[in-house]
Amino acid sequence: DAKTTQPNSMESNEEEPVHLPCNHSTISGTDYIHWYRQLPSQGPEYVIHGLTSNVNNRMASLAIAEDRKSSTLILHRATLRDAAVYYCILRGNQFYFGTGTSLTVIP
Amino acid sequence: DAGVIQSPRHEVTEMGQEVTLRCKPISGHNSLFWYRQTMMRGLELLIYFNNNVPIDDSGMPEDRFSAKMPNASFSTLKIQPSEPRDSAVYFCASSLRGYTGELFFGEGSRLTVL
Repeated sequence: DAKTTQPNSMESNEEEPVHLPCNHSTISGTDYIHWYRQLPSQGPEYVIHGLTSNVNNRMASLAIAEDRKSSTLILHRATLRDAAVYYCILRGNQFYFGTGTSLTVIP
Repeated sequence: DAGVIQSPRHEVTEMGQEVTLRCKPISGHNSLFWYRQTMMRGLELLIYFNNNVPIDDSGMPEDRFSAKMPNASFSTLKIQPSEPRDSAVYFCASSLRGYTGELFFGEGSRLTVL
């Protein structure tokens, strides 16, 4: 089964960009790359998704490697409200969330 | 529009009791997922329904767990009998496009089994 690997934790200063990496070397051609985040005591929240091309929305940008074996979630200006656990998952025949990256934003 | 609605938000019960968790997906969504979250194991998919039919229940821990979706607007997850190791937060999520669509999660049901 295709799974993802993310760093356990990252820190960022407020107002600075954050790049959250995800490795998915066994991704299949039909798997969509999804990112979710989970704030304390809440359910996961959809952030962004893509298949092959880079994607932008009001929350973030998603950069997908040409071979699709890795991707990066980009928060352009981190705020304190962005402190959360960020999950990279593959949506196809797989719903594995993994342990995610806990992002700390330093004021 | 209302999001995914779960009830109860909190449940405390004693070992051996039956527990029923409920979920109302977003109207029009045709896929429903039950997840369990613990500190040790993170988020685990328990079961996935598409058009009210269970498609993948390989994550259901054992026969004590059962899930139903009698119609497009309601699903239940039942644990009978409950055990302390079932203590977790149970999330329901719905999606418009099965395997590929974005997931919308409810706020979760926190279960404590004493």
